[in-house]
Formats: sequence, structure tokens, C-alpha cells
Amino acid sequence: NAGVTQTPKFQVLKTGQSMTLQCAQDMNHEYMSWYRQDPGMGLRLIHYSVGAGITDQGEVPNGYNVSRSTTEDFPLRLLSAAPSQTSVYFCASRPGLAHIQYFGAGTRLSVL
Amino acid sequence: AQTVTQSQPEMSVQEAETVTLSCTYDTSESDYYLFWYKQPPSRQMILVIRQEAYKQQNATENRFSVNFQKAAKSFSLKISDSQLGDAAMYFCAYRSANFGNEKLTFGTGTRLTIIP
Repeated sequence: NAGVTQTPKFQVLKTGQSMTLQCAQDMNHEYMSWYRQDPGMGLRLIHYSVGAGITDQGEVPNGYNVSRSTTEDFPLRLLSAAPSQTSVYFCASRPGLAHIQYFGAGTRLSVL
Repeated sequence: AQTVTQSQPEMSVQEAETVTLSCTYDTSESDYYLFWYKQPPSRQMILVIRQEAYKQQNATENRFSVNFQKAAKSFSLKISDSQLGDAAMYFCAYRSANFGNEKLTFGTGTRLTIIP
């Protein structure tokens, strides 16, 4: 098992560019989430999914889109990157009947 | 809305000694889960210990234990026999037990330094 895999690990964008952060898990987990971590703050929930085809907004969803076409993948899209989206992004997953979330290694994104 | 507060931005402890990290939370719910996560310089979020609110017994995992005071809404982490590898940021987190609630609410973290 690879667990939760995030790509890329680092990315630099220019303001206005778009990109997709990839997240894949091989544990057949129903629930997947995206968080962002900013300096001096804990992680904050962006979007989450409770199963294929079902997504919902978290605490800070503006500027981000998600979709969940398969159980394994949960990509996060930035449609028009802004400097305020400079952050470290974490993907997480958990089984439906358990309450422990497993985190990926994170993606450090800088928007210039 | 639930909030999690970690009032100690930084802590330090001598190697082999014991240290306690504080966490308080605010919620109107009766059933929930509490977690301590460790984030070393590698950035990986590692689960240290978890506590179910309906359990009165404090959770323990080897050198890590918690003091869960439900009425006081307090959830402190005790690390015994501190080791150099324990140096990291530690985050306290809360999650509702309500079905479909995916949000983990994190505190702002405590940076733990181990002094050799």
C-alpha cells in the first residue's frame, strides 16, 4: 500500500495560472478531504468527499474546485491562482467506519 | 462552531524528561473525537494518539498519554522519556462524531524542542 499520494510535492505558479493538485489513495477509503496549512495556523478544510460523485465545501472553499469520479482519486483544481493561495496543501482519506484520517505528504504551492 | 486552542506556541524539554502540551476546545456536542498529530520537519502529518469522547479512560500509546477532561473541555498530551525524534510541531484536533461530518478542526500548534 502506498497510502495517500500527492503530486507534485512543490509547485510555483504565476498569478492567474491554473493547475491541478493530484491526490490518490489505494486503501479503498470512502472519505477524502483537502486541507491547507498556513503559517501560524492549523490545517483548514477546503473541500471533502464522502464517496465517488459526492463532494461538499469545507471552511475555505473559495478559489478551489474538486470532483470525485473514482474512489481512488480526488484532485483539487485552482482555476486562477492568487498569491493568497500560497500554502501547503494536504490530502487526507479515511474509511467510512473509522474516524482516523490518513494524510498525504503535502504539496507546497507558491503563487507569485 | 467548534474551536481548538493551543496556548503554548513553543515548548522545550530535556531529553528523557516528561513534557505536557495543553489543548482546550469548545463544542456544544456530546460525541466527538480528539486527536494529537505530530508534524516533523518532513511536513508529514502523523497521528500520535486519539480519544473518543464517550470513553472515560484516557488513551495511551507507549510513551504518549492524554489527560482528557470532558467537563473542562481539556485534552492535554503527555510525552514521557522525551527523545530527540519527538521534536516536531504538535497539533490538537477535534472532529464531530455526527455522520458525514468530515471537518477536522485544528489548533495552531505547539513547537516542541528536545534539548540533548
